[in-house]
Amino acid sequence: SQQGEEDPQALSIQEGENATMNCSYKTSINNLQWYRQNSGRGLVHLILIRSNEREKHSGRLRVTLDTSKKSSSLLITASRAADTASYFCATDLYAGNMLTFGGGTRLMVKP
Amino acid sequence: NAGVTQTPKFRVLKTGQSMTLLCAQDMNHEYMYWYRQDPGMGLRLIHYSVGEGTTAKGEVPDGYNVSRLKKQNFLLGLESAAPSQTSVYFCATDYGPTGELFFGEGSRLTVL
Repeated sequence: SQQGEEDPQALSIQEGENATMNCSYKTSINNLQWYRQNSGRGLVHLILIRSNEREKHSGRLRVTLDTSKKSSSLLITASRAADTASYFCATDLYAGNMLTFGGGTRLMVKP
Repeated sequence: NAGVTQTPKFRVLKTGQSMTLLCAQDMNHEYMYWYRQDPGMGLRLIHYSVGEGTTAKGEVPDGYNVSRLKKQNFLLGLESAAPSQTSVYFCATDYGPTGELFFGEGSRLTVL
């Protein structure tokens, strides 16, 4: 079963707009991570947020974590066509040995 | 510095055939993982290894076997391929548990 579930499944925006993706999970976690996957490629790590952190920034990326609601959001500001990709959240379901991934959000940024 | 290399990148098998996917890493990472990715299902963990000579089952291990004879290599085997094993397989590595994963480019397997 999937620990993380992303919402929406697909998102289409214009270049320059902000994109927000959400992730909900079911059990307690130590950390939550976000990954990007370009079409036909492997996943690339974007950012890791620990359970005792509420917000984290990396360039145009902003991640929030609400452990009381068991949810996280990824905000991409001032999107670019090159941001077109699938975005996945991953959580350490078994607290130590493995990450479980959600189904992903497919983001399309139109030039 | 190649990172994580998977071979082959593409393979077509007939039902019942066997094959092995190889994952090689040059990052000296202890942890290695095999995931499969199916449309709408995200990534599901097949098997993983926490060090040379160790293996463990993930979420969907049935029909697969793995070996980690050398630290840098993690092999995924299909003894008798089935159409349900048609998927894209990803190898990933990690210096420690549940840190940042480094992925290979994937191996696309089709079982007819």
